[in-house]
Amino acid sequence: EAQVTQNPRYLITVTGKKLTVTCSQNMNHEYMSWYRQDPGLGLRQIYYSMNVEVTDKGDVPEGYKVSRKEKRNFPLILESPSPNQTSLYFCASSFLYRRGAEAFFGQGTRLTVV
Amino acid sequence: QQQVKQSPQSLIVQKGGISIINCAYENTAFDYFPWYQQFPGKGPALLIAIRPDVSEKKEGRFTISFNKSAKQFSLHIMDSQPGDSATYFCAASIRGGSEKLVFGKGTKLTVNP
Repeated sequence: EAQVTQNPRYLITVTGKKLTVTCSQNMNHEYMSWYRQDPGLGLRQIYYSMNVEVTDKGDVPEGYKVSRKEKRNFPLILESPSPNQTSLYFCASSFLYRRGAEAFFGQGTRLTVV
Repeated sequence: QQQVKQSPQSLIVQKGGISIINCAYENTAFDYFPWYQQFPGKGPALLIAIRPDVSEKKEGRFTISFNKSAKQFSLHIMDSQPGDSATYFCAASIRGGSEKLVFGKGTKLTVNP
């Protein structure tokens, strides 16, 4: 089954404790991205990657890091989480020729930073 | 310039009625307009999409109407069903451009039985 898998689904952490949210896709997609979803703000792109070792900032990259060492994986790293990063996070992937527009989304990770 | 404005924020429709969600954009470089559907606890899923060289696209009960001169597009859900209750996002992208998918803020649709 074609899917984007995020882990964990739910996470409660404390301010300043480094965390990683994993994302893996099995569709051989070149393009992967991370979004955060907040009430009233919709979906905002954090980072994206067009292929292995190629990453770039989206609209709200502050406080986040990403890496793309393998085509299927695109982890999101919060090195020092703060309460304003409490949000619902989605990883998405697509073929590059679809330019990220026909995206497959993961199930989401609900993060709470206290 | 990169915004997509979506309205209404929420919509309540009776079963069998027509649901209409509207979006507007400013950047004329946008050339692809998808709609995503999100059920509670799930990630968004591509529902239907249109390019600006056509004025309408229909898939089952879902239709996108596109007005290039007005820079507006809308989603119509005919014969709305309770199972259509979800949050709908319009979006826009520039192919070969910044690779970014710009989303509207979403419309929460409730279809009453």
